[in-house]
Amino acid sequence: QKEVEQNSGPLSVPEGAIASLNCTYSDRGSQSFFWYRQYSGKSPELIMFIYSNGDKEDGRFTAQLNKASQYVSLLIRDSQPSDSATYLCAVEGSSASKIIFGSGTRLSIRP
Amino acid sequence: GAVVSQHPSRVICKSGTSVKIECRSLDFQATTMFWYRQFPKQSLMLMATSNEGSKATYEQGVEKDKFLINHASLTLSTLTVTSAHPEDSSFYICSARGYGGNTEAFFGQGTRLTVV
Repeated sequence: QKEVEQNSGPLSVPEGAIASLNCTYSDRGSQSFFWYRQYSGKSPELIMFIYSNGDKEDGRFTAQLNKASQYVSLLIRDSQPSDSATYLCAVEGSSASKIIFGSGTRLSIRP
Repeated sequence: GAVVSQHPSRVICKSGTSVKIECRSLDFQATTMFWYRQFPKQSLMLMATSNEGSKATYEQGVEKDKFLINHASLTLSTLTVTSAHPEDSSFYICSARGYGGNTEAFFGQGTRLTVV
């Protein structure tokens, strides 16, 4: 089992709709969870960071964490074409403070 | 967000030579820096984790003698690819994190290394 799993996509969502991205992780003791956006050929940029169970909202983005289910998600409201990118889920494990990435989900917002 | 500066952004080198990549945290003290490698259409693979003043912890399968990591100060870490070969061509990205638990990790711009 991979440490951090994401559906590779592509996920196609119409402009203005809600995009829902999901991620599961294997280390039950994981502490911190990150969502990054990466455009082709560029470095990842941090979108959201969450470490407590529940929802965390920042503008159009909402991260949801459920540690019991080992599941973290990212919702993007009012999706825009500029949101088209690969979204990477990253998890800090319970040991060694290392941050491990999922394989990423390609999101495509169609006008 | 915090600023992490990585240089150079692109480098082409001859096979057998060494290349040094710098990663600097510009507006915070980075107690931990991570080095990743990303091949085309693949995710980021963690190469090593370094804490200021101590030796880097390398992931399984990463040769510590080939990828030399130095984290001599709270604002600078370097990755040196020694005796580079074409298969080392990749996108190398550093990430830096500050003090305390539950803090964000910010990325540098990445370095596109091409070994010819």
